[in-house]
Amino acid sequence: GESVGLHLPTLSVQEGDNSIINCAYSNSASDYFIWYKQESGKGPQFIIDIRSNMDKRQGQRVTVLLNKTVKHLSLQIAATQPGDSAVYFCAEKPSGTYKYIFGTGTRLKVLA
Amino acid sequence: ETGVTQTPRHLVMGMTNKKSLKCEQHLGHNAMYWYKQSAKKPLELMFVYSLEERVENNSVPSRFSPECPNSSHLFLHLHTLQPEDSALYLCASSLGGGADTGELFFGEGSRLTVL
Repeated sequence: GESVGLHLPTLSVQEGDNSIINCAYSNSASDYFIWYKQESGKGPQFIIDIRSNMDKRQGQRVTVLLNKTVKHLSLQIAATQPGDSAVYFCAEKPSGTYKYIFGTGTRLKVLA
Repeated sequence: ETGVTQTPRHLVMGMTNKKSLKCEQHLGHNAMYWYKQSAKKPLELMFVYSLEERVENNSVPSRFSPECPNSSHLFLHLHTLQPEDSALYLCASSLGGGADTGELFFGEGSRLTVL
C-alpha cells in the first residue's frame, strides 16, 4: 500500500553540526514532496518542498534532496541550532489528488 | 496570528457528549482538511473539502461529521466518541481549487480527550 517511512525515529546531533533526516516513499505517482517541522504543542510548520521534476532545492539553512530512482527524500539542516529540536515529517502527494501522505516523523535532538 | 485558527485548543468530553471543533482560515484558500494525529502514528487524513464540496473519500466512523459552510470555515462535529478517539485533531488549508494545491498550512490543533 501507500506509505511514507522514516529510517530513524530519533536523531541526536551536536549543536553546529549538520543534520540529515531521511525518508522513503512508495508511490511513483507522487509529484510533490514536503518537509514539515512540529514543535511540542504546535501544529506542523512548512519547511521546504520539492516537485518531482527537481533533484535538489535549497532554502535558508535547509536543503531537500529527491532521488526518484530509489524513492528517497532527505532533509539537510546546516549548522543545527537548539531551535531546530522538533519532530520532522516528510509528506508526499500523488498527482491529481488532495491526499497528502505523511510519515511517522523523526525526532531531532540538538545537543549543546 | 496564525493563518489557520482552531478552537477549542483543548477539549475533554464524555462518550455520550456532543461537541464540535471549529477551524477558520484567513489565507483565502479553497481547500480545507481535517487530520487526526495519534501518538506514534502518521497523520491520518479524515476529510477534505475543496470549494465547499467534500472530496477524497476516506473511511472515517460516522461519529465524526464534517461541515464546511464556506471556504473559510470547517467544523468537525463529534458524537458518542470512544476513548481511542483521543488525539490531536489538526485542521489545514491549501490553495486548492485544482490538482496543484501546494503546501498545507496547519492550525495549532485541538487536543481531544474522551473519557
